[in-house]
Amino acid sequence: GENVEQHPSTLSVQEGDSAVIKCTYSDSASNYFPWYKQELGKRPQLIIDIRSNVGEKKDQRIAVTLNKTAKHFSLHITETQPEDSAVYFCAARIYNFNKFYFGSGTKLNVKP
Amino acid sequence: DGGITQSPKYLFRKEGQNVTLSCEQNLNHDAMYWYRQDPGQGLRLIYYSQIVNDFQKGDIAEGYSVSREKKESFPLTVTSAQKNPTAFYLCASSSSTGFKTKPQHFGDGTRLSIL
Repeated sequence: GENVEQHPSTLSVQEGDSAVIKCTYSDSASNYFPWYKQELGKRPQLIIDIRSNVGEKKDQRIAVTLNKTAKHFSLHITETQPEDSAVYFCAARIYNFNKFYFGSGTKLNVKP
Repeated sequence: DGGITQSPKYLFRKEGQNVTLSCEQNLNHDAMYWYRQDPGQGLRLIYYSQIVNDFQKGDIAEGYSVSREKKESFPLTVTSAQKNPTAFYLCASSSSTGFKTKPQHFGDGTRLSIL
């Protein structure tokens, strides 16, 4: 099966700085990679996703990059704000299977 | 996501008791999932179902059971065999086959504690 590893487990940045979270996956058949943000006690919410036919996707201050050869994908948050503080999860889905494999999460703390 | 409803929000279990967590979706999604989340931890898959009347074990299925009699509903029973059930339980659904994958949508979760 797929194995998704996520780093770092915690990340502390100053407001206005950039934050980068990295994930690696093991199965080359994975073709879809969503990122979720989870605030304390709440549901995970999709913030951005990328499919394997695309190398980069951007949505305002958030971007995701995918390197299929190296089997890793990263979340980039620019101009961080205190409301970006949350736990972020990456995930991977193998082509034609409805099963998602999640990373262990990154707790992001944006200091005002 | 208003399309997935989990109930109750909080649940307490007595020793030796089975409890059932409800998950209902009106998104017309084929696949549904149950995850367990312990404090400060990631999401661990308990069970998932890709179609009505079919379900598969996830990574931590022991002590849990599910049914999928209707497309809209995927209840999870935490049995007395699950000795450490205290956790946050999340239900999710997705509509994705082949290359055109759609993301999972999550419910608000049920927080289960032992009395």
